[in-house]
Amino acid sequence: DAGVTQSPTHLIKTRGQHVTLRCSPISGHKSVSWYQQVLGQGPQFIFQYYEKEERGRGNFPDRFSARQFPNYSSELNVNALLLGDSALYLCASSVLADTQYFGPGTRLTVL
Amino acid sequence: GENVEQHPSTLSVQEGDSAVIKCTYSDSASNYFPWYKQELGKRPQLIIDIRSNVGEKKDQRIAVTLNKTAKHFSLHITETQPEDSAVYFCAATSPGTGFQKLVFGTGTRLLVSP
Repeated sequence: DAGVTQSPTHLIKTRGQHVTLRCSPISGHKSVSWYQQVLGQGPQFIFQYYEKEERGRGNFPDRFSARQFPNYSSELNVNALLLGDSALYLCASSVLADTQYFGPGTRLTVL
Repeated sequence: GENVEQHPSTLSVQEGDSAVIKCTYSDSASNYFPWYKQELGKRPQLIIDIRSNVGEKKDQRIAVTLNKTAKHFSLHITETQPEDSAVYFCAATSPGTGFQKLVFGTGTRLLVSP
């Protein structure tokens, strides 16, 4: 029974670059949410997608964008990277939107 | 918007003792309250959850209680074991228009000493 998968595991970028993170939800789950977890803090909500439509967005700048594909996988894009974007980016999968199961995350380091 | 406060930030217990972590939330419309366990370098793992129409839920050594009037909920771990050592996060759903996002507490680092 495959869980939520994310790629890549780790990523190192420099300021000003852009990054694309990928997530595959649990089979049968149609909702994907993205969270940012800074070291020592709880995850912060970025986006939620359901049936390929954006359903909600957190307090993040327009440099952050996402989309969901017909197979329910999702991408998170971050443009013009800042040092403060360094964090663990978590994808969560759910059937509807409440009970959410997290992937292993992508650790992004911005130098 | 929703705000979730979590206490204590760290908790040290001896193996076999009980541990209690408490959270309060601000949005009375919140209706779903999960707890996650996160070991170092790993994903948050859902360990138990409770909905607003239930006051208590148990799963082996873990239980969660919810007081909607006071807007607080708690995680109880009995007979703690060293493998329970991790960071625990509470969360509450903040219902939005057509979606629900999880708002997390700041985490409790639990250390269980043998």
